[in-house]
Amino acid sequence: EAGVAQSPRYKIIEKRQSVAFWCNPISGHATLYWYQQILGQGPKLLIQFQNNGVVDDSQLPKDRFSAERLKGVDSTLKIQPAKLEDSAVYLCASSLVGLGTGANVLTFGAGSRLTVL
Amino acid sequence: DQQVKQNSPSLSVQEGRISILNCDYTNSMFDYFLWYKKYPAEGPTFLISISSIKDKNEDGRFTVFLNKSAKHLSLHIVPSQPGDSAVYFCAARETTDSWGKLQFGAGTQVVVTP
Repeated sequence: EAGVAQSPRYKIIEKRQSVAFWCNPISGHATLYWYQQILGQGPKLLIQFQNNGVVDDSQLPKDRFSAERLKGVDSTLKIQPAKLEDSAVYLCASSLVGLGTGANVLTFGAGSRLTVL
Repeated sequence: DQQVKQNSPSLSVQEGRISILNCDYTNSMFDYFLWYKKYPAEGPTFLISISSIKDKNEDGRFTVFLNKSAKHLSLHIVPSQPGDSAVYFCAARETTDSWGKLQFGAGTQVVVTP
């Protein structure tokens, strides 16, 4: 099966500019996640969708970050305006189920590396 | 507040020897633990998991041990191979979180030398 697709792979912008990242999850995966991974740290969840509804955005800096998942498939993550501390890899992941028992195995995309100058 | 901690940022091991990666957690509500492996310029890939009702899970060269009383888990790789050189993340899921989100540690860089 095709994996999680993300684009662009790399983006360099100046602070206060805007940027958008796109994610196409594995077909049939109802749950989609955006994680932020800053260099030297583990991935941190920004937002989680179940189909096209948000189930957790508690760590999303809502004054500058926004995300949507129209039609419950593709998703975009936007940053406007960007700050220096937003430099990170933005990882999109999807999973078959978000509920219930069992290990919830997330499948990650290759990530979008953002550099803010 | 970092609830999943990997205190060793790096580990160097000789090919053929055992690699032991450690992970500590503070949240007693975690019920599943997972290990992910990440190569440069790629996303993390799932390696192995363990439920909190078990103390050991084995898959080929990889074994995860869980010590609930110590809130500690470890990943053993035997024997280590050059292809195992990667960053390894420990992750955990909270039992009260029905949506299954994972919290990750900072990762341990493993280098397997010939």
